Amino acid sequence: DQQVKQNSPSLSVQEGRISILNCDYTNSMFDYFLWYKKYPAEGPTFLISISSIKDKNEDGRFTVFLNKSAKHLSLHIVPSQPGDSAVYFCAAISGTYKYIFGTGTRLKVLA
Amino acid sequence: GAGVSQSPSNKVTEKGKDVELRCDPISGHTALYWYRQSLGQGLEFLIYFQGNSAPDKSGLPSDRFSAERTGGSVSTLTIQRTQQEDSAVYLCASSLFSGNTGELFFGEGSRLTVL
Repeated sequence: DQQVKQNSPSLSVQEGRISILNCDYTNSMFDYFLWYKKYPAEGPTFLISISSIKDKNEDGRFTVFLNKSAKHLSLHIVPSQPGDSAVYFCAAISGTYKYIFGTGTRLKVLA
Repeated sequence: GAGVSQSPSNKVTEKGKDVELRCDPISGHTALYWYRQSLGQGLEFLIYFQGNSAPDKSGLPSDRFSAERTGGSVSTLTIQRTQQEDSAVYLCASSLFSGNTGELFFGEGSRLTVL
């Protein structure tokens, strides 16, 4: 029962263009969402988050959009840089402590 | 240390052996999590510790898996009679609070290979 789904295992984008990573969830009780970035041989690191009371949160080149009716969130990276190449995980939490992670999307930014 | 520390970083063992994985969380963090990432899979929740409360062990895949947290700090994940399907990267994370306050801080993981 995959409550958080990232249906695209990989994505390639040209440097300078927009990267859009998508995430779908099934549990309407989730009220907080996060994106983590993971480089090889390193642990995931926090990137950006959004509360369910918002529909957008922006931090520099990174913007997360939340569409509660569609149970969908997306991460936009503009402009994409080669250093952004990593695996991106979305995660959701339902007000307690159990963070549920998606399977990840491997982003490759081509120079 | 400044971050979450895990050891060993790599462990190769034979099927049937027991292994112990260690996690040193960030000092002062009350919440500690274990996740694992199998090949091609997401981060699978294993167990959660919060202060002196009883841990949430609901994610442990079988009774061969156990974990403890001593003194509210260091945690050890033990896998008994390892099987090949236990091969994965085991990630520990800590946070200052529990609940939806934001980020988990992850260690670099312990890569377990069961031959």
